[in-house]
Amino acid sequence: EAGVTQFPSHSVIEKGQTVTLRCDPISGHDNLYWYRRVMGKEIKFLLHFVKESKQDESGMPNNRFLAERTGGTYSTLKVQPAELEDSGVYFCASSARGISPLHFGNGTRLTVT
Amino acid sequence: DAKTTQPNSMESNEEEPVHLPCNHSTISGTDYIHWYRQLPSQGPEYVIHGLTSNVNNRMASLAIAEDRKSSTLILHRATLRDAAVYYCILREVWGGSNYKLTFGKGTLLTVNP
Repeated sequence: EAGVTQFPSHSVIEKGQTVTLRCDPISGHDNLYWYRRVMGKEIKFLLHFVKESKQDESGMPNNRFLAERTGGTYSTLKVQPAELEDSGVYFCASSARGISPLHFGNGTRLTVT
Repeated sequence: DAKTTQPNSMESNEEEPVHLPCNHSTISGTDYIHWYRQLPSQGPEYVIHGLTSNVNNRMASLAIAEDRKSSTLILHRATLRDAAVYYCILREVWGGSNYKLTFGKGTLLTVNP
């Protein structure tokens, strides 16, 4: 089966611009997660979708971040406007129901200059 | 959040077994013990998980202490490809189906040829 796919793999934008990251989960996986690692820090949870519903968005840093999962398939994470501290690697993961393992994508490396 | 403690780094030789320890003295009765690893430039990858009994799969074995306050991930024959950061994570479950992973710093495993 195809794994979790993230686009783009790299993005370089200027402070104040907008960037949209996309995640295509494994087909049939209801659960979709966003995580990120900023420079030198641990991987941090951002939010969790079950199908199209936001189940837990306690890790979203502020209202400049907007995640959507229309139709319960792919998800987007928009950062608007981007700030320097948003630089890092953004990971998406998906899982089937229950306590199935998470399958991670290879991440999007975001650099805000 | 339930926390785990792991050594910052460990070193092994190729073809030898590796025992990666993890302490989780505050584990609750419903927490599963999960191990993930992250190879360079990739997203985290699921390795194994368990609740009370020892577990084996094609990648590794998981030995869980009787009091569940510690566990050990065992790689039976380390290869160069096993060089990665290994994360021991308590999978918190609440609300019947809502859960997330909380990553710590992990253990950086170096495998010498």
